[in-house]
Amino acid sequence: GDSVTQTEGQVTVSESKSLIINCTYSATSIGYPNLFWYVRYPGEGLQLLLKVITAGQKGSSRGFEATYNKEATSFHLQKASVQESDSAVYYCALSDNNYGNEKITFGAGTKLTIKP
Amino acid sequence: DMKVTQMPRYLIKRMGENVLLECGQDMSHETMYWYRQDPGLGLQLIYISYDVDSNSEGDIPKGYRVSRKKREHFSLILDSAKTNQTSVYFCASSLGTANERLFFGHGTKLSVL
Repeated sequence: GDSVTQTEGQVTVSESKSLIINCTYSATSIGYPNLFWYVRYPGEGLQLLLKVITAGQKGSSRGFEATYNKEATSFHLQKASVQESDSAVYYCALSDNNYGNEKITFGAGTKLTIKP
Repeated sequence: DMKVTQMPRYLIKRMGENVLLECGQDMSHETMYWYRQDPGLGLQLIYISYDVDSNSEGDIPKGYRVSRKKREHFSLILDSAKTNQTSVYFCASSLGTANERLFFGHGTKLSVL
């Protein structure tokens, strides 16, 4: 089946420093899956941060970027300069493009803590 | 208001009791989902509902059943809860397929003692 791997369960970064959260995936679909980053801020529900559906393309939102790398099967999340308000749990996810398979597969999440 | 509401937020039950988790959405979304999340694991799909009375098993349906009698409401039922069903349960909805944006509730933390 499909799987998403986030290698870091927790990451701590100082404010204004750069960030990368790693995500690799494995998909069983014949075509390429759609890739997502979701985020859960403290006290809030999980929400979509960004989505990329075409291999080789980059998605961006709120200063975060992620590039769909089909060769490396990766979709790492990056930000050049983090802020305290970025503290949250980030989930990488994929959806299979097989017709009738309406499932999103999530990674285990990475808890990001920003040190002031 | 684009909201998914889950009730209750916290629930403690004894093993063998029945559990009802409720979820509502105000966006007239066709598709609704129930997930559970355990420490160190990603969200695991329990059931998908494509519309009223059109439900499909996800990856871990055993021990659960669902009910969707109105488009806005999707219930998760645990008949005779077990301790290994202690988890955080999330409801979500989307306008169409999983390729669309999912809207999530805040989650229900269920403890089965």
